[in-house]
Amino acid sequence: GAGVSQTPSNKVTEKGKYVELRCDPISGHTALYWYRQSLGQGPEFLIYFQGTGAADDSGLPNDRFFAVRPEGSVSTLKIQRTERGDSAVYLCASSLGGRAGETQYFGPGTRLLVL
Amino acid sequence: GQQLNQSPQSMFIQEGEDVSMNCTSSSIFNTWLWYKQDPGEGPVLLIALYKAGELTSNGRLTAQFGITRKDSFLNISASIPSDVGIYFCAGPRAGGTSYGKLTFGQGTILTVHP
Repeated sequence: GAGVSQTPSNKVTEKGKYVELRCDPISGHTALYWYRQSLGQGPEFLIYFQGTGAADDSGLPNDRFFAVRPEGSVSTLKIQRTERGDSAVYLCASSLGGRAGETQYFGPGTRLLVL
Repeated sequence: GQQLNQSPQSMFIQEGEDVSMNCTSSSIFNTWLWYKQDPGEGPVLLIALYKAGELTSNGRLTAQFGITRKDSFLNISASIPSDVGIYFCAGPRAGGTSYGKLTFGQGTILTVHP
């Protein structure tokens, strides 16, 4: 079956612009996660959805970052007034029910470059 | 910031050699996960450990959950070129209420020379 997909695969934007990154989780997975991976680092947690609601958004760095999952499947990560420091790979993952110890399946990521 | 420390940061080995890497934390973890990431891809789960002292194998990979619950080890036997990649340890911190919030180490970069 299809895995987690993310679009676009690459995004180049200018400082100050707005960007949207999309994640399509594995069908039937109720939990969805966003992580950010800077060069040479491991992924860092941003936000976690259980169904349509954000169960934990403690990793969002500031109020320029916002994510939605209006129908409990596809999610969009939105970044306003982008800064050069936002350049990173944004990874999305999904899991079946969001329970402890459950496997998170990752997508290939969106590589964001802010010039 | 990151709370898991992986060592070594990178390894250069010959095909056929065994590999050992470890991960330590100042905090207790109830679950330890080992992921591998290939260039341009997301991390893929290799092994999951759920109990202190647990030793689990997956083919040529063996991982152990440390008794103190603050460390874990991953061993790869008889390495092959396709083992090349970045290996991450990860886990949800004990006592946390958000099971989905994984903390990752900074990774160990493995290079295998044929």
